[in-house]
Amino acid sequence: NAGVTQTPKFRILKIGQSMTLQCAQDMNHNYMYWYRQDPGMGLKLIYYSVGAGITDKGEVPNGYNVSRSTTEDFPLRLELAAPSQTSVYFCASSPVRRENQPQHFGDGTRLSIL
Amino acid sequence: QKEVEQNSGPLSVPEGAIASLNCTYSDRGSQSFFWYRQYSGKSPELIMSIYSNGDKEDGRFTAQLNKASQYVSLLIRDSQPSDSATYLCAVNHGAGSYQLTFGKGTKLSVIP
Repeated sequence: NAGVTQTPKFRILKIGQSMTLQCAQDMNHNYMYWYRQDPGMGLKLIYYSVGAGITDKGEVPNGYNVSRSTTEDFPLRLELAAPSQTSVYFCASSPVRRENQPQHFGDGTRLSIL
Repeated sequence: QKEVEQNSGPLSVPEGAIASLNCTYSDRGSQSFFWYRQYSGKSPELIMSIYSNGDKEDGRFTAQLNKASQYVSLLIRDSQPSDSATYLCAVNHGAGSYQLTFGKGTKLSVIP
């Protein structure tokens, strides 16, 4: 049971480059989330999805895009990387339609923009 | 603006003592409360959830919720060096909401 799998684990980008952070879950969870965590800070929600084909913005969506074509996958796209996007990115998922279900996190992607 | 406040610490306690971690939140409609533990360089790991006023115990951990005071706490009894980590408080946005707001976390150090 892999849970939430994120790839890559580490990446260095140059300013202006683009990349996609991958996230996959095998728990048949409808809800998926992308967070970023800056040093000494809590988690900030970037985007979330309540099911295939449905996505919505979180607290800090600027500079990012997402898609959700399947229940399992929820990739995060950075189109024009900027130094302010240097962070640790976590993907999470939770079960269906119950607000009291906890979120399960992947191991994270550590991204540096130079 | 939904806010979750935690004392950033570090909180240092001797091994075997009780560690008390506190969290306040601004949204009176919040109904679900979670404590996550995060070791340095690792992802958050759920350790406790609580939804009703009062205490909830799980092994050495006790979560306490007071909705009237908008306050949730985590007690760790018989603290061990392996408990040294950052503890994140997370609160849902209100009835029916699946979005969480996280505090910045409290760093706990258990001294052998």
